Parts: sequence; structure tokens; C-alpha cells
Amino acid sequence: AQTVTQSQPEMSVQEAETVTLSCTYDTSENNYYLFWYKQPPSRQMILVIRQEAYKQQNATENRFSVNFQKAAKSFSLKISDSQLGDTAMYFCAFGLSQGAQKLVFGQGTRLTINP
Amino acid sequence: NAGVTQTPKFQVLKTGQSMTLQCAQDMNHNSMYWYRQDPGMGLRLIYYSASEGTTDKGEVPNGYNVSRLNKREFSLRLESAAPSQTSVYFCASSEMDGGTEAFFGQGTRLTVV
Repeated sequence: AQTVTQSQPEMSVQEAETVTLSCTYDTSENNYYLFWYKQPPSRQMILVIRQEAYKQQNATENRFSVNFQKAAKSFSLKISDSQLGDTAMYFCAFGLSQGAQKLVFGQGTRLTINP
Repeated sequence: NAGVTQTPKFQVLKTGQSMTLQCAQDMNHNSMYWYRQDPGMGLRLIYYSASEGTTDKGEVPNGYNVSRLNKREFSLRLESAAPSQTSVYFCASSEMDGGTEAFFGQGTRLTVV
């Protein structure tokens, strides 16, 4: 079975700063994906970024990038030039490479961007 | 494009009552899922349907039943609600390929008193 752990329940930074959210996971699988989902106060779950485990290059999406360390089973999310609209819960999630997308989520990190 | 639509958005039940949460997707996805979200625990998978005609248990299936009515619709039923089932419920859908994006509904906040 897979587990995902987010050890930072809450974080707070000033607008325009850079912030890094941590995530560790445990699995015996070799082929999998990792995801970061954002949940703003509207409750809508929004995919921020995804990483394929077999790709060594870290994924980037505009201001969002990840630091994927497969051997250490670590998958952190870096948000650069943070904006007020980045205020949300962020969930790290694990999914296998084949079959239905049965995601295993971490506990979440509540991120607040202050003006 | 509506995506994934859940009804109702909010519900209060008394202990022992039953109800069905409805979910429909218009993206022609093969797979559909039901998750529950509790404070400090993230989202946990209740049941899923990999393809039309199949359903399987997830991590926390006790107290729930599901029906994959057709390719578009996947319902979650609470036969005898308990206070421990107070939660926010999310329906999601995706293609049945690893790494594809799962699309979520806006959630149902259920309170059992």
C-alpha cells in the first residue's frame, strides 16, 4: 500500500515571496505519478502539476515547480512570486501508472499568502 | 462544459436516515470515483468504478454502496447514516490511463446529527 505524508499543516508567506511545500511518500512500485492539487476556499480541486516517476527532469508549470527526489521518496512543490490567489489547501497525491486513477492523498497543507 | 456535477451541495441527515449522492460527468471518461475529505486526513477513496459495469472498494468502503448507472453517472448511497459519516464528499472522473488528470466535482457537505 502507498502512503503520502505532508508534515506542514499550515504555512504563511508574504506576497511575491517563494514558498516550498513538502511531501514524502512510500511505495514499493517503480512506475507511478505524483501530483499536487490545489483546493481554494471554493472547495474545487484543481490540478497544479504532475510528475512521472521515470522522468528525472523536474516538472514545471509557470510559477510552480517540483523537486522530485525518487530515491528519497520526496516530492516538494515550489511556488515562486506567490500571489494572493495562491491561498488554498494544497494536497500531494500518488497514483499508479496503469489502470484507474486511484489517488492516495496526503493530509494537506493550508497555505496563506499575505498582502 | 460542466465537467463533473454533484448533487446536492449540502445535506443534513438524522442518524439512521438514508440518502443517495448523485454524480454525473460529461467528459466521456471511463473511470469514476468517490472520495471523502475529513480535516487533517486529506481525501480518502471510498469506492471507484474503473469502467462502466464494474465497481470496487477503496480505502474506506464501510457504510456505503455505489451504483455505476451508465458511463456518465455514478451514485453513492448511505443506507443508515452515522455521525462518523459527516464529511465532504467528492466525486471525480478520469480516463483509465495512469497519470491522467482526475476532474473533481464541487463536493457535497454532509452533516449527520
